Amino acid sequence: SAVISQKPSRDICQRGTSLTIQCQVDSQVTMMFWYRQQPGQSLTLIATANQGSEATYESGFVIDKFPISRPNLTFSTLTVSNMSPEDSSIYLCSVERPELDGYTFGSGTRLTVV
Amino acid sequence: GENVEQHPSTLSVQEGDSAVIKCTYSDSASNYFPWYKQELGKRPQLIIDIRSNVGEKKDQRIAVTLNKTAKHFSLHITETQPEDSAVYFCAASNGDSWGKLQFGAGTQVVVTP
Repeated sequence: SAVISQKPSRDICQRGTSLTIQCQVDSQVTMMFWYRQQPGQSLTLIATANQGSEATYESGFVIDKFPISRPNLTFSTLTVSNMSPEDSSIYLCSVERPELDGYTFGSGTRLTVV
Repeated sequence: GENVEQHPSTLSVQEGDSAVIKCTYSDSASNYFPWYKQELGKRPQLIIDIRSNVGEKKDQRIAVTLNKTAKHFSLHITETQPEDSAVYFCAASNGDSWGKLQFGAGTQVVVTP
């Protein structure tokens, strides 16, 4: 399956600050996705990131709060801006390679906002 | 948009028994249905998936069935073992992108020795 390196693995941040999460894939992929998993909950898609175009955000998520970059076919970043305790979650990137191994997740970033 | 419902939310089984988790979806255009296993503190891992042109798929002790007419799919785990204890998520995708998955709420499976 695709090897996805995500960092940081965890962080504790002060409210009002921002954190950028990086996701690196070992092969070129067309689409990368960012999910949020709140404590004890399921996964919710934040946005879809295609190289060369602006990310597409799901209902309830906005670019000002979660800016995303996708500079090439193997890398993406998600920034959680102006954080509040409600942003404490696990953030996961994922990639889609339907012709190979389906859909794989990175190891996740456990964010705690204090 | 797609809505996926998953039942039960918790499932306790004796080791060696079978476990069944059921999901329903709302979008008839959905054509890809993966199942993920998530152990505590770890990432979701794909354990099996099925496409809409197939009614059933099996991989050792794990099987998935799909009923397109009724818009539901199920995960079956036979001969359960303690290491099967985890949270299981079903998901569905509407086909324009496999990656844009809508997840069910999850099922906490506990296998007791």
